[in-house]
Amino acid sequence: GAGVSQSPRYKVAKRGQDVALRCDPISGHVSLFWYQQALGQGPEFLTYFQNEAQLDKSGLPSDRFFAERPEGSVSTLKIQRTQQEDSAVYLCASSSGTGLGKLFFGSGTQLSVL
Amino acid sequence: AQSVTQLGSHVSVSEGALVLLRCNYSSSVPPYLFWYVQYPNQGLQLLLKYTTGATLVKGINGFEAEFKKSETSFHLTKPSAHMSDAAEYFCAYTNAGGTSYGKLTFGQGTILTVHP
Repeated sequence: GAGVSQSPRYKVAKRGQDVALRCDPISGHVSLFWYQQALGQGPEFLTYFQNEAQLDKSGLPSDRFFAERPEGSVSTLKIQRTQQEDSAVYLCASSSGTGLGKLFFGSGTQLSVL
Repeated sequence: AQSVTQLGSHVSVSEGALVLLRCNYSSSVPPYLFWYVQYPNQGLQLLLKYTTGATLVKGINGFEAEFKKSETSFHLTKPSAHMSDAAEYFCAYTNAGGTSYGKLTFGQGTILTVHP
């Protein structure tokens, strides 16, 4: 596609529900990143994939957060038993290489947990 | 641990005036530094980056930034603001010796308002 696509654009969940957020990176991009952006804050790193391998998940805040990229393209970020503090914008970014390539960000999924 | 501090969460300038957005970083290793811009309902876009070499880097839309190691700063400037520059700006850092250059540490952001 022309850019990084994220869906849904908005998600409202009741506390305790599970949610799944999808990211379609730019075709052919090797690297994929997930970030969490709380209201009024800068994005914070969650996890990084190189192709299908999850090379860094040091930013995932708890074991309720899980990310996968099984075929090295589309990625899903899953949050189990959502809590109010999970409310944030979740950003996905991709780049064409493993070096200092330009990151292309999606518009994000705004998650609100009630 | 590395950190990025942006001085001023809101900056307001008049159209045609100088834009100066401040960024300081804290790191024990050489940094790679970035400025990103975020327009409403759009993804973050890279304005410019410093990796190695020339410390004054030029980016898109007339923006530039200067890496000053002695001051641990990477301030963003533009000589003459346009209305279209109104957006939120993020300074970001990554470890030059890291395994993933996309693993960025962001500042908290500065919202730029441009008055007619």
